[in-house]
Amino acid sequence: QSALTQPRSVSGSPGQSVTISCTGTSSDVGNYGYVSWYQQHPGKAPKLMISEVYKRPSGVPDRFSGSKFGNTASLTISGLQPEDEADYYCCSYAGFYALFGSGTKVTVL
Amino acid sequence: EVQLVQSGAEVKKPGESLKISCIGYGYTFTNNWIGWVRQMPGNGLEWMGIIFPGDSETRHSPSFQGQVTVSVDKSTNTAYLQWNSLKASDTAMYYCARLVSGSWADVFDIWGQGTMVTVSS
Repeated sequence: QSALTQPRSVSGSPGQSVTISCTGTSSDVGNYGYVSWYQQHPGKAPKLMISEVYKRPSGVPDRFSGSKFGNTASLTISGLQPEDEADYYCCSYAGFYALFGSGTKVTVL
Repeated sequence: EVQLVQSGAEVKKPGESLKISCIGYGYTFTNNWIGWVRQMPGNGLEWMGIIFPGDSETRHSPSFQGQVTVSVDKSTNTAYLQWNSLKASDTAMYYCARLVSGSWADVFDIWGQGTMVTVSS
């Protein structure tokens, strides 16, 4: 039950787009359409940004979008803003439980 | 306002027992699963387990099965996470979170503020 694999860090300038990958296996990401994404600022609780691969909860800016292909899910932030600098975690259903990704630090240059 | 309020920080010695709590406010507590998530210092999030307050059904990550006990008291809208014998490696921030109705296990929409547990001799 290893964590899903994410890049340790990604960065971009304000206004640019960044994409974070989340790679699992055919037992989790590849088998279910249930991948969510969370944003966590330092010292704060995580915040839900995307559910069921691509659905944005109310209040989440539409510059956040999600997708999935095979065993890999992705979160794209289009038009990067300074407040987007945070850690991001994917989470996938894995059959009676869920797995988080290893986490990605997004830096806004 | 819908919120989860967790108990305060704890400092314990190895081998001691501990029970931390998470109280739900502003919604029907028995309608949503409650989950527990661990975050060790400087590390990522780890899904520990969930419990349904309506009937106390639980599901655990294989990594945490047998290591902790999740329970609930629906009369007080409180979920608990319990250790019988703490280890130094249990030092972490622990979050409770509400699972969205109909979610399979991964969609937590409301989070508690976290409880820091420090285990040190």
